[in-house]
Amino acid sequence: DIVMTQTPLSLSVTPGQPASISCKSSQSLLYSDGKTYLYWYQQKPGQSPQLLIYEVSTRFSGVPDRFSGSGSGTDFTLKISRVEAEDVGVYYCMQSIHLPYTFGQGTKLEIK
Amino acid sequence: EVQLVESGGDLVQPGGSLRLSCAASGFTFSRYWMSWVRQAPGKGLEWVANINQSGSEKYYVDSVKGRFTISRDSAKSSLFLQMNSLRVEDTAVYYCARGRLGIDYWGQGTLVTVSS
Repeated sequence: DIVMTQTPLSLSVTPGQPASISCKSSQSLLYSDGKTYLYWYQQKPGQSPQLLIYEVSTRFSGVPDRFSGSGSGTDFTLKISRVEAEDVGVYYCMQSIHLPYTFGQGTKLEIK
Repeated sequence: EVQLVESGGDLVQPGGSLRLSCAASGFTFSRYWMSWVRQAPGKGLEWVANINQSGSEKYYVDSVKGRFTISRDSAKSSLFLQMNSLRVEDTAVYYCARGRLGIDYWGQGTLVTVSS
């Protein structure tokens, strides 16, 4: 199985400051169709996960542009340019190129 | 608006069975792969199974193979997960989710508790 490793596992950020989460996969997520199937999800307290970013860097519908994704191959990053109070929650990366789909351990974002 | 509403979660004894359902609306259900993903209390996300549009392809995580069966009824826009030989470690919130190469929408989840 592909192992997804996120760092850090927790993050405490002052509102208005940036935040960055790393996700590394044990194998390349580049598919034969040229796309890279790396996804980012946000899970707010008491809610189900919501899609933020798909295929490394494309924001899902309605996602604020302060969220951005980057990376290639096995190394990926989610960045929040200016953290807001509503960004509190746990962030997960997920790969969907190889079965079973696997998630990172999650990064808990707290506000200072 | 895409909506996925799970039901069927309950408290069940080890070795027991349960059938989860997911009612989909707001999109053409028959055109999408569908998945089940679970989350143990206080833990991370684990993909469980998925099924293609016609139901002819089904894939499972190793830990549930032979015990869980995913199915769908496109006429009723419904997804199912039959869970047999349940174990304590199957205790989790089970989410219905849309998509194959990437999951875009999730339901609110239904809690399955396996305990004696």
